[in-house]
Amino acid sequence: DQQVKQNSPSLSVQEGRISILNCDYTNSMFDYFLWYKKYPAEGPTFLISISSIKDKNEDGRFTVFLNKSAKHLSLHIVPSQPGDSAVYFCAARQGGADGLTFGKGTHLIIQP
Amino acid sequence: EAGVAQSPRYKIIEKRQSVAFWCNPISGHATLYWYQQILGQGPKLLIQFQNNGVVDDSQLPKDRFSAERLKGVDSTLKIQPAKLEDSAVYLCASRTTPFGLIAQYFGPGTRLTVL
Repeated sequence: DQQVKQNSPSLSVQEGRISILNCDYTNSMFDYFLWYKKYPAEGPTFLISISSIKDKNEDGRFTVFLNKSAKHLSLHIVPSQPGDSAVYFCAARQGGADGLTFGKGTHLIIQP
Repeated sequence: EAGVAQSPRYKIIEKRQSVAFWCNPISGHATLYWYQQILGQGPKLLIQFQNNGVVDDSQLPKDRFSAERLKGVDSTLKIQPAKLEDSAVYLCASRTTPFGLIAQYFGPGTRLTVL
């Protein structure tokens, strides 16, 4: 039973364009959502988070949007750069508990 | 500020052998987590410590996995005996207090191969 789903295993985007990574969830008790970036042979690196009471959070080139009614969130990267090529994980925290539930990840490839 | 440290980085063992992983969290981080990441999957929480007490170990296979954090700082995760399906990357993460920022910070992981 996958509570956090990233349905696109990979995504290819041209350098300078917008990258949009999507994530769906099923558990209404999630109170925070986070995005992590992972390079090979390294641990996940925290990028940005959003509370379930908000619908948008922005940090530099990264913006996360949350649509609670659709149980959907997305990460926008503008403009995309070669160093953004990595696997991106969507994660969620359930209120009252602290461990994160992760999706399977999306491999983002930025093409020159 | 130093990040989360883990050792060893790689380990290869035969099935039925035992293995231990070590983690040193970011200084001052009271909460420590161990995750298991199987190839092609996202990390899965195994156990969470708050200082030296266990907060959540509901997904830890307790018949073969054990973990401790004796002095509220370093932690070890042990598997005994290992099975083929334990082949994975074991990630340690830490966070500040329960009421601090929610982001967890991960170490580089230990890649375990069970033959």
